[in-house]
Amino acid sequence: SYELTQPPSVSVSPGQTASISCSGDKLGDKFACWYQQKPGQSPVLVIYQDTKRPSGIPERFSGSYSGNTATLTISGTQAMDEADYYCQAWDSSSVVFGGGTKLTVL
Amino acid sequence: QVQLQESGPGLVKSSETLSLSCTVSGGSISGYYWSWIRQPPGKGLEWIGYIYDSGSSKYNPSLKSRVTISVDTSKNQFSLKLTSVTAADTAVYYCARLVDIVVDGRFDPWGQGTLVTVSS
Repeated sequence: SYELTQPPSVSVSPGQTASISCSGDKLGDKFACWYQQKPGQSPVLVIYQDTKRPSGIPERFSGSYSGNTATLTISGTQAMDEADYYCQAWDSSSVVFGGGTKLTVL
Repeated sequence: QVQLQESGPGLVKSSETLSLSCTVSGGSISGYYWSWIRQPPGKGLEWIGYIYDSGSSKYNPSLKSRVTISVDTSKNQFSLKLTSVTAADTAVYYCARLVDIVVDGRFDPWGQGTLVTVSS
């Protein structure tokens, strides 16, 4: 079955840039999106179609891709950005989520 | 603004059927795809399946034999049934709208989620 691989954890200092990767076989041929999930809350879409931001999502969130890796970047990371982040893509008409990355803002 | 709300029993006995509903408010259920996603405690997200307002559906192959998703457009609701549950089915169950399925198929918005515990 198709898998999306994310690092389990990423740490960043306040004000610095955090990058979270998501890799998968032929992911470059697909669209990826990203969700933020804070403790006890539902996931929220923060990036879709690799690089687009939904309305209401701060500009410090951006998406990019290179080869078979999609990357979520948070510039000027704030304490409120501490959360779990999940990437998502499709394979053979099925939805696949990455395992999630816990972002810690130290 | 579309909002989703899950409802159903929070406790289900092992080997029985889990049944949940999702009520859509602030917009029509027609013209969109709708989905169920679950998250075991402390773990990641798992897609369960989706349905269109016409009733056409698609399920996660790993759950396909036990899952049925249905839609009731008159009530602006869609529902999930998962049969023969075990402790492994204990999770927070989310309903969500599936957007732009022909482009990237993203989930937005999500319901608040409901915890279902399977007891022996």
